Amino acid sequence: EPEVTQTPSHQVTQMGQEVILRCVPISNHLYFYWYRQILGQKVEFLVSFYNNEISEKSEIFDDQFSVERPDGSNFTLKIRSTKLEDSAMYFCASSLRGSGNAGELFFGEGSRLTVL
Amino acid sequence: SQQGEEDPQALSIQEGENATMNCSYKTSINNLQWYRQNSGRGLVHLILIRSNEREKHSGRLRVTLDTSKKSSSLLITASRAADTASYFCATDKDGANSKLTFGKGITLSVRP
Repeated sequence: EPEVTQTPSHQVTQMGQEVILRCVPISNHLYFYWYRQILGQKVEFLVSFYNNEISEKSEIFDDQFSVERPDGSNFTLKIRSTKLEDSAMYFCASSLRGSGNAGELFFGEGSRLTVL
Repeated sequence: SQQGEEDPQALSIQEGENATMNCSYKTSINNLQWYRQNSGRGLVHLILIRSNEREKHSGRLRVTLDTSKKSSSLLITASRAADTASYFCATDKDGANSKLTFGKGITLSVRP
């Protein structure tokens, strides 16, 4: 069964360092998302991506964050200068249809980011 | 405004009992979805109900939607220990097509 894969599963970094989290969405999906979940808390939307551009982003997704789909298969989230409060589990998701068209999201297993 | 607020926050039941979880939301929606998350894992889609539907079934799952009250419920019948997980409702916004907003989730514990 097709699945969303994420790497790394866990990354530890020093505050101020750049981090890139990678995702390989399901191959025929068209919509891509990043969410994050601070331990034990709600799943927060960061950004959605469609047709090679950001379609929506949250207040969390400030200038320190960027996304790319460099080669038609990978979907990356870059945090330019990490802060302690960026420590969280980051989930990539993809869907064939948009949410308004009953698009079901398929999530990866997450990348745990620990900022020291 | 906060979309997708579930209650209760935690639920503990005995294996074989039914589990009912509720979700309320604030804005008009196109559809509402329920997801499950095992500890430390990704979310898995369970069931979707469109705004023009009132009830839907999938195996041991039954979801209802009341758009006049802006609420939904997820019923798991004949629960099993393996149903122990966190459950989230997720809503989109009517007219939008870009994101789902998740609630805080309900932690369900099913005692064997």
